[in-house]
Amino acid sequence: DAEITQSPRHKITETGRQVTLACHQTWNHNNMFWYRQDLGHGLRLIHYSYGVQDTNKGEVSDGYSVSRSNTEDLPLTLESAASSQTSVYFCASSPGTDNYGYTFGSGTRLTVV
Amino acid sequence: GIQVEQSPPDLILQEGANSTLRCNFSDSVNNLQWFHQNPWGQLINLFYIPSGTKQNGRLSATTVATERYSLLYISSSQTTDSGVYFCAVFTSNDYKLSFGAGTTVTVRA
Repeated sequence: DAEITQSPRHKITETGRQVTLACHQTWNHNNMFWYRQDLGHGLRLIHYSYGVQDTNKGEVSDGYSVSRSNTEDLPLTLESAASSQTSVYFCASSPGTDNYGYTFGSGTRLTVV
Repeated sequence: GIQVEQSPPDLILQEGANSTLRCNFSDSVNNLQWFHQNPWGQLINLFYIPSGTKQNGRLSATTVATERYSLLYISSSQTTDSGVYFCAVFTSNDYKLSFGAGTTVTVRA
């Protein structure tokens, strides 16, 4: 069965370290998204991609980067982790121009100490 | 960007009670979804509802697109209904979902 997987599920890192969160989907979806979830804010969009070699900034992109070298993967990198980036991160994918089939991963809980 | 507001932020119910959750949005949208986030953090789609009314068991939803709001009804609530309910709107110009801050529902036995 097709799926979207995130790894790791939990991670603790130190301030200033570079961290990469993985997202892999086997739906063959063109669109992929990274969100962060914080109490009182719901899910906020960090970065997104409409296809290979395409990346775009979302509303809370500072301190994060992504790259899309193939259809299946959109890794999220925190260049220099900060305590304000402690959050739960969700990856999502969708097939095309509407939101039907929008699918979320199970999330990665990141703690920056 | 589009603003999505949910109310109330928190709701405590006695098992068996009914409740209504509200979602207001600031601009025209192509679609609207309601999600339930379970205690394990998983986001589960409840409804795609750009307009009109849909029902699924004890849950139903109504969206009045012309007035830019949607309602989620929970009837005869059960403890398994506990969790966070999110409203998210979709606009076709950018294929993105914009989320409200959520309503945290606690159902007590």
